[in-house]
Amino acid sequence: DAGITQSPRHKVTETGTPVTLRCHQTENHRYMYWYRQDPGHGLRLIHYSYGVKDTDKGEVSDGYSVSRSKTEDFLLTLESATSSQTSVYFCAISADRGGNQPQHFGDGTRLSIL
Amino acid sequence: AQSVTQLGSHVSVSEGALVLLRCNYSSSVPPYLFWYVQYPNQGLQLLLKYTSAATLVKGINGFEAEFKKSETSFHLTKPSAHMSDAAEYFCAVGGGGGADGLTFGKGTHLIIQP
Repeated sequence: DAGITQSPRHKVTETGTPVTLRCHQTENHRYMYWYRQDPGHGLRLIHYSYGVKDTDKGEVSDGYSVSRSKTEDFLLTLESATSSQTSVYFCAISADRGGNQPQHFGDGTRLSIL
Repeated sequence: AQSVTQLGSHVSVSEGALVLLRCNYSSSVPPYLFWYVQYPNQGLQLLLKYTSAATLVKGINGFEAEFKKSETSFHLTKPSAHMSDAAEYFCAVGGGGGADGLTFGKGTHLIIQP
């Protein structure tokens, strides 16, 4: 299995609070991704990174920011959490761009915002 | 732009019966195609991938998929369903060249009846 660790695995917080999710990889892959998974929507891309300090927006980026200061870590931040951001969040990594190589996924973070 | 359509959000088969999960894609470039499986409370696990080497691709757990360019399809099959195959299955397309990687379908929940 690809070395991907997401933390925390579960979190419950209140509307308006900041939340940071962490993705840590040991594969030295250049490309990292954050998705959210919701019933009926499948996986939707929030943000992705193509190198240290290089990030870009995905399909559903509003209300989220990311940072990547080291190859191995990709952080997702909800500056002021809202109930619509209750979801399961997955981090993925890939050795190549453009879908030429498969993405490998972490086990997810279940986030509940009350 | 690329897109993926998975026909049927839920598919139910009897144990021992043929499994057929349908995936159609849209891509302006030769695609890379993937099937993933997700068991409850886990991340996505790669089942198989098509990267133009052969149109019939064999994956793990007895699954295989056939790439049909004329039909823009990449359906997933397994000759004989097992109870352990009950899971969510996702089809994904890549190869667009962008760093944002794969586009996922909304998923098909496979139910195995005893």
